[in-house]
Amino acid sequence: GQNIDQPTEMTATEGAIVQINCTYQTSGFNGLFWYQQHAGEAPTFLSYNVLDGLEEKGRFSSFLSRSKGYSYLLLKELQMKDSASYLCAVRDGDYQLIWGAGTKLIIKP
Amino acid sequence: SQTIHQWPATLVQPVGSPLSLECTVEGTSNPNLYWYRQAAGRGLQLLFYSVGIGQISSEVPQNLSASRPQDRQFILSSKKLLLSDSGFYLCAWSPTGGWREQYFGPGTRLTVT
Repeated sequence: GQNIDQPTEMTATEGAIVQINCTYQTSGFNGLFWYQQHAGEAPTFLSYNVLDGLEEKGRFSSFLSRSKGYSYLLLKELQMKDSASYLCAVRDGDYQLIWGAGTKLIIKP
Repeated sequence: SQTIHQWPATLVQPVGSPLSLECTVEGTSNPNLYWYRQAAGRGLQLLFYSVGIGQISSEVPQNLSASRPQDRQFILSSKKLLLSDSGFYLCAWSPTGGWREQYFGPGTRLTVT
């Protein structure tokens, strides 16, 4: 079956670093995406990994290990505005994304 | 640049009433289009996707339907809403080819009473 697992909720402190993990079991793999979704809003695209390794984009980095079916999103220098849900999604075919339920990140001052 | 519009932003409808949600994309041609539903605290559930005018693929059996009358217009409809249809409806697009990231519209929050 198709399955994507993420922690339901995480808490971190402003200015710190947090790592959000995502493990997946899908019939195929054509890339992994991370999205940010603020409460009541639409998801916005953060990163895309298709090869193993780390992709860095400002304060956000995303890592992929295809052999382990594992990815993480690393957020540095946390700001209060980073409080949101972070969604992991895997493309297993041509068009469709399989979505995780998301990780709600709470930032405390 | 590309822009995606969705309306209405919020909608309260009685059980058994019809539904029509519209999504349009600007600044691109022949996009792939998607309708998702998100229940509170849950992940995104793909309802329909389209790779071209008149081409609709359905992912889940339900009382909803979708149409793509124009290249950049995608419509989600229902003849009779159920309570279980309540949720956050999101339209998304991706460039032709399908392998790229998807970009979401602002969403419609539907409450069926």
